[in-house]
Amino acid sequence: DAMVIQNPRYQVTQFGKPVTLSCSQTLNHNVMYWYQQKSSQAPKLLFHYYDKDFNNEADTPDNFQSRRPNTSFCFLDIRSPGLGDAAMYLCATSKMQGNTEAFFGQGTRLTVV
Amino acid sequence: GESVGLHLPTLSVQEGDNSIINCAYSNSASDYFIWYKQESGKGPQFIIDIRSNMDKRQGQRVTVLLNKTVKHLSLQIAATQPGDSAVYFCAENNNNNDMRFGAGTRLTVKP
Repeated sequence: DAMVIQNPRYQVTQFGKPVTLSCSQTLNHNVMYWYQQKSSQAPKLLFHYYDKDFNNEADTPDNFQSRRPNTSFCFLDIRSPGLGDAAMYLCATSKMQGNTEAFFGQGTRLTVV
Repeated sequence: GESVGLHLPTLSVQEGDNSIINCAYSNSASDYFIWYKQESGKGPQFIIDIRSNMDKRQGQRVTVLLNKTVKHLSLQIAATQPGDSAVYFCAENNNNNDMRFGAGTRLTVKP
């Protein structure tokens, strides 16, 4: 059974129209990550939560926001998607800080038209 | 900022041969390293990890080697199979949860 679930698997949005991607986990993990992965590139860390503590990467654009209303759910909000935001968005979780394995969802592929 | 990188972007091996995928890291504060396998259209899948107080760790058909002196990490896959064809990423982490990925190596296994 999937432990990190991302919905939807494929999302098409219009240029400039806000879009939300969702991630849920059944592992009760403390840490949740969001990554952006473009074609033939490595996943790039956008931000992560440790419990309710939000940690933004210095180079993550303000256009990207996140919410974690409870342990199980985490959302990625793109306020005004541009063509350059088309990518695979990956959610991951890990049990605690630092030296523990991270589990990934299958990703949401975002297309901007 | 400091980053994790890979020497070889592509690797092609014959089925049954051993594969070695390399990774160089630059953040000396990293104390936990992970290898992930990513198949097309899927999320990364954990293969093996190693902590900085170790220099070798073995799993089933896979071995990770860590050389802290030269900040180098490698993944060895024994008896490579067609199902091993994928992109392999190394990642580094620390107590700040700044888990960052290297550039990736695409492994192709020829029958």
